[in-house]
Amino acid sequence: QKEVEQDPGPLSVPEGAIVSLNCTYSNSAFQYFMWYRQYSRKGPELLMYTYSSGNKEDGRFTAQVDKSSKYISLFIRDSQPSDSATYLCAMTSPLQGAQKLVFGQGTRLTINP
Amino acid sequence: DAGITQSPRHKVTETGTPVTLRCHQTENHRYMYWYRQDPGHGLRLIHYSYGVKDTDKGEVSDGYSVSRSKTEDFLLTLESATSSQTSVYFCAISEGGEAFFGQGTRLTVV
Repeated sequence: QKEVEQDPGPLSVPEGAIVSLNCTYSNSAFQYFMWYRQYSRKGPELLMYTYSSGNKEDGRFTAQVDKSSKYISLFIRDSQPSDSATYLCAMTSPLQGAQKLVFGQGTRLTINP
Repeated sequence: DAGITQSPRHKVTETGTPVTLRCHQTENHRYMYWYRQDPGHGLRLIHYSYGVKDTDKGEVSDGYSVSRSKTEDFLLTLESATSSQTSVYFCAISEGGEAFFGQGTRLTVV
């Protein structure tokens, strides 16, 4: 079983819809939670970062963490065609003096005009 | 944007040749990582570093070695390239929280 599970999609929604992307994890030691956006042939770009349970909002994006259920979500409001990309969740935990950084498989999202 | 530069950005090499990829950062971050990204597998950790000359293996380290002689540089070497190492390679840096990625190196082994 993978430490982080993410539905790879693909997910296709109309412009203006609310998008919900989710990841579950099994390692209770995960401390920091991130969402990345990756456009085709580009590097992952950090979108949201949080370390506590609850919600964090940044413009049209809201990151939600539920440590008791080992579940994180990213909500995109008023989705735009420019939001079309692959979204990856990531988590960190201490590992032998370093920070282990583990990714979900990524969800490919398409916003249709 | 975080100051991370990967070089080269694209490379084609022959099976059996050694290849070195470079990651250079200007952020003075302690942790540096090398990942490969392949369809159906997502990002997989090859090696990571937690300080100068302090490195360790990730989940797919066979056939790869790394070195970090300066805080700003993290080198990934394919000792004898194979076709299975054709991939996109990403470097990432972190200070323990959020991580930032380079633009990637597209490597083709023929």
